[in-house]
Amino acid sequence: DTGVSQNPRHKITKRGQNVTFRCDPISEHNRLYWYRQTLGQGPEFLTYFQNEAQLEKSRLLSDRFSAERPKGSFSTLEIQRTEQGDSAMYLCASSPTGGYGYTFGSGTRLTVV
Amino acid sequence: GENVEQHPSTLSVQEGDSAVIKCTYSDSASNYFPWYKQELGKGPQLIIDIRSNVGEKKDQRIAVTLNKTAKHFSLHITETQPEDSAVYFCAASKDSSASKIIFGSGTRLSIRP
Repeated sequence: DTGVSQNPRHKITKRGQNVTFRCDPISEHNRLYWYRQTLGQGPEFLTYFQNEAQLEKSRLLSDRFSAERPKGSFSTLEIQRTEQGDSAMYLCASSPTGGYGYTFGSGTRLTVV
Repeated sequence: GENVEQHPSTLSVQEGDSAVIKCTYSDSASNYFPWYKQELGKGPQLIIDIRSNVGEKKDQRIAVTLNKTAKHFSLHITETQPEDSAVYFCAASKDSSASKIIFGSGTRLSIRP
């Protein structure tokens, strides 16, 4: 296992289209997190899962955003009806149950044109 | 909610000199303080962390200090090397299992040869 894997690395989409990103965590990690990072800023928390249960969602996660983690393994983040303000780097991280010591993936950079 | 402020936003030091990055947090209930290094095109990487029952922690050339009374914590890098050039983020969590981490806005560190 080489770490947290995110696909695609880059995504360009037209405003109004739907996009879906995938995250494969480190296999023995029960927790999975999604963060969003805009240029020149630190990552902002979006949501996290303990196994397949989504335990917390940020107010940043509008109705257009949905995340899933079926079977407690990989996770997907979908953005419906994309807007230019959605342009950002979307980061996924995983950690053991205790939570300490996130491992981040390299992110998916979304550009909405 | 928790707010983490970080300064300076940019820092340039001569190779071999020390670098110090400072952060403050707002929520006195925060008890876990990780530091991340982010290189271009990559996700943040955990470099060191400290919990609230400890005032200082060292790992080779990196040290962190925590002042709970003042709600300050700092990262110290000694004998800086070119590979230390990156963006550094401080972060804080008040969750006992660090499920949600709030990041500072980052410091871009440049090491001059």
